[in-house]
Amino acid sequence: RKEVEQDPGPFNVPEGATVAFNCTYSNSASQSFFWYRQDCRKEPKLLMSVYSSGNEDGRFTAQLNRASQYISLLIRDSKLSDSATYLCVVNLAAGNKLTFGGGTRVLVKP
Amino acid sequence: EAGVAQSPRYKIIEKRQSVAFWCNPISGHATLYWYQQILGQGPKLLIQFQNNGVVDDSQLPKDRFSAERLKGVDSTLKIQPAKLEDSAVYLCASSPNPARAGTGGDPSYGYTFGSGTRLTVV
Repeated sequence: RKEVEQDPGPFNVPEGATVAFNCTYSNSASQSFFWYRQDCRKEPKLLMSVYSSGNEDGRFTAQLNRASQYISLLIRDSKLSDSATYLCVVNLAAGNKLTFGGGTRVLVKP
Repeated sequence: EAGVAQSPRYKIIEKRQSVAFWCNPISGHATLYWYQQILGQGPKLLIQFQNNGVVDDSQLPKDRFSAERLKGVDSTLKIQPAKLEDSAVYLCASSPNPARAGTGGDPSYGYTFGSGTRLTVV
């Protein structure tokens, strides 16, 4: 079983719509969680951290469910510029290395 | 603040040849990481350095891959000999210290990736 699993998509989203997708992680000892965004042929960049209480950053909302070991990302009022691959990232306490999921591709269309 | 510098941007080699990549992290960042990202997959950690010491190289194919960070600053990753399946983007990242890696939105505290080296083995 992969340590971090994501639906690869693509999620085809009409502009202005809401899209949500999840990520599951296998290690219950995981301590911190993030969503990274990666544009085509670019490096990953931190989108937002994910906190137990849930958190928002503008049109983006992240949730963490420790009991079921999944993380979610919701994008409201999708923009064309939101088209990218979203990487779910988990940080184990030991060694503090980031483990990446395979990414979920989102395509926002007019 | 200058970002993580990597070179070359692109490299095409024949199988069984050797290749080396270079990374210069953000000044003052103690931790340096090399990731391999195969097309359609997420980045996979190859090796993590803390200053000039190796913290984790459990996923580095040591029969053909080697990496060093002799002075605790810049780093090189070498593949010798290369195989077709090594075709990927090799990403270098740095962070100020392990406890801060990936936290918050402030680039000075989080992982910062370089733009990567795209390797094609033919």
